Amino acid sequence: DTEVTQTPKHLVMGMTNKKSLKCEQHMGHRAMYWYKQKAKKPPELMFVYSYEKLSINESVPSRFSPECPNSSLLNLHLHALQPEDSALYLCASSQPLRTGNNEQFFGPGTRLTVL
Amino acid sequence: DAKTTQPTSMDCAEGRAANLPCNHSTISGNEYVYWYRQIHSQGPQYIIHGLKNNETNEMASLIITEDRKSSTLILPHATLRDTAVYYCIVRRLNFGNEKLTFGTGTRLTIIP
Repeated sequence: DTEVTQTPKHLVMGMTNKKSLKCEQHMGHRAMYWYKQKAKKPPELMFVYSYEKLSINESVPSRFSPECPNSSLLNLHLHALQPEDSALYLCASSQPLRTGNNEQFFGPGTRLTVL
Repeated sequence: DAKTTQPTSMDCAEGRAANLPCNHSTISGNEYVYWYRQIHSQGPQYIIHGLKNNETNEMASLIITEDRKSSTLILPHATLRDTAVYYCIVRRLNFGNEKLTFGTGTRLTIIP
């Protein structure tokens, strides 16, 4: 299984809502990532988890809260978002660099619209 | 990580080889060249990576110049499904640097 799955595929939420994005992989990868991609722009890294611990936070606002409950799952909790947070949110996984090959496998993304 | 420069867009006829250039003149000795692509409405997909030698896999070939200041990704027989944005990324593979920094990429259109 070389797939990263993300749910939901689409999400529309109001600025006062709380929602969560979910990502799952069963490749035994111990590094997982969240990226944000605005229309016609390249993906931008938000967070990196390595061995279930947060290793990189790219100065992301606190209204985005990542969580890695176990080595297969990665969540992104959303609260009090702004319309400019509307974007495609991509999850990826890989082996951590210390183990060698660091090819990142990406999921299809969740397209988020904040009203 | 070193900065890369790629053409904004390119066209290629179906069945021909697509050659995508990337300039990385400030690359340092321990930095690898990675290529990913992103087909419309999908997540990015890893293609190939290399350090100094040319590399080939089932998807593509990577040619890195001897001074390592530029490289070319070659799709030998382009198909319509190769229409995508192609990203050239230069990165160090040291612990704690798992991040990928995407540039603006090249939008490749395969023409029937």
